[in-house]
Amino acid sequence: DTGVSQNPRHKITKRGQNVTFRCDPISEHNRLYWYRQTLGQGPEFLTYFQNEAQLEKSRLLSDRFSAERPKGSFSTLEIQRTEQGDSAMYLCASRSQVEEQYFGPGTRLTVT
Amino acid sequence: AQKVTQAQTEISVVEKEDVTLDCVYETRDTTYYLFWYKQPPSGELVFLIRRNSFDEQNEISGRYSWNFQKSTSSFNFTITASQVVDSAVYFCALKGIHGGSQGNLIFGKGTKLSVKP
Repeated sequence: DTGVSQNPRHKITKRGQNVTFRCDPISEHNRLYWYRQTLGQGPEFLTYFQNEAQLEKSRLLSDRFSAERPKGSFSTLEIQRTEQGDSAMYLCASRSQVEEQYFGPGTRLTVT
Repeated sequence: AQKVTQAQTEISVVEKEDVTLDCVYETRDTTYYLFWYKQPPSGELVFLIRRNSFDEQNEISGRYSWNFQKSTSSFNFTITASQVVDSAVYFCALKGIHGGSQGNLIFGKGTKLSVKP
């Protein structure tokens, strides 16, 4: 296994459109996290899955955001009616029982 | 509340110099973990080290060393004999065990390190 993968790597969309990102975690990792990182800032937590259960959501995750992990493997993050403020790098991370999280390369979203 | 402060926004050094990146954290948890991650220009966060709150032993890994001091709530990172390949943004992060958190990391704003030849 080569690590956490994310697709697409880059996404440019017009304001008001919907976008969906995918994360494939390291195969034996049952915990999966989504973070958002804006320029000059550290990553900020969005949501967390243990297996298929979404156990925590940040207040940053507005109603326009939804995340799923249907079979406890890959996860998707959808943003509906995108706004320019949604432009950011969206990072996915996974971990097993140990504490450190392993991050994917991110999806850079630009909303025009 | 949990918080991580990296007061140094940018540091520039010349190759072979030693450099220390500062990290100060706040937490009410008695059990917690501290991390350092490296984010090179390619963008992917690379895990460097994890320490738990009960282990204050300093750690050395090659040219990297970490100084964890609970008395000052600091977890500083030193690169000895820096190299151009060390140029990246370095993030310090905290994870508490209690307080309802499911284990998400609280990151500082990062320190951008530029190592010039």
